[in-house]
Amino acid sequence: GNSVTQMEGPVTLSEEAFLTINCTYTATGYPSLFWYVQYPGEGLQLLLKATKADDKGSNKGFEATYRKETTSFHLEKGSVQVSDSAVYFCALSEIFNNAGNMLTFGGGTRLMVKP
Amino acid sequence: DGGITQSPKYLFRKEGQNVTLSCEQNLNHDAMYWYRQDPGQGLRLIYYSQIVNDFQKGDIAEGYSVSREKKESFPLTVTSAQKNPTAFYLCASGGQRAEAFFGQGTRLTVV
Repeated sequence: GNSVTQMEGPVTLSEEAFLTINCTYTATGYPSLFWYVQYPGEGLQLLLKATKADDKGSNKGFEATYRKETTSFHLEKGSVQVSDSAVYFCALSEIFNNAGNMLTFGGGTRLMVKP
Repeated sequence: DGGITQSPKYLFRKEGQNVTLSCEQNLNHDAMYWYRQDPGQGLRLIYYSQIVNDFQKGDIAEGYSVSREKKESFPLTVTSAQKNPTAFYLCASGGQRAEAFFGQGTRLTVV
């Protein structure tokens, strides 16, 4: 079956530091890949996505590139802010029984940014 | 605005009581999902529905039930058979573009 593995947190950084959160996946077909962000007490928000190999998703200074050869989708940001403190989830989506998409999530990585 | 709405935001359940969590979407999505999240943990799939009047068990369906009588609505009932129901419950919907959209969650506490 499909699976997503992401680095365990918490990741603690100082403001303006460079961020990398690793994500690797296992899938039987050609999934779409996503990063979601969850702020305390809230639901998940889509941060960025990529639908095919070599695509780069980007949003709010965050980037991730769909690497089929290494089955990875690592999240990066050049300069983090305190407001980026949240939990980040990597996920994949694959057509399921020709009837829709099924999301598989990683375990989440908590990011804490200190001023 | 289009979106997905969960209610209530906070819910308290007594021992042995059934409670129902509401999830409504106006995104015209066929697929809807319920996830459970425990403190500091990831998401675990409870039930999902790809079409009206059909739904499937996820990884942790025991002690829960759902219905999908309308495309817009996918309520989750936490029954007395669920021995440890205190958690954060997230509803999501998904369309043809693959990504899921989430509600704001319902925090259920057993008192």
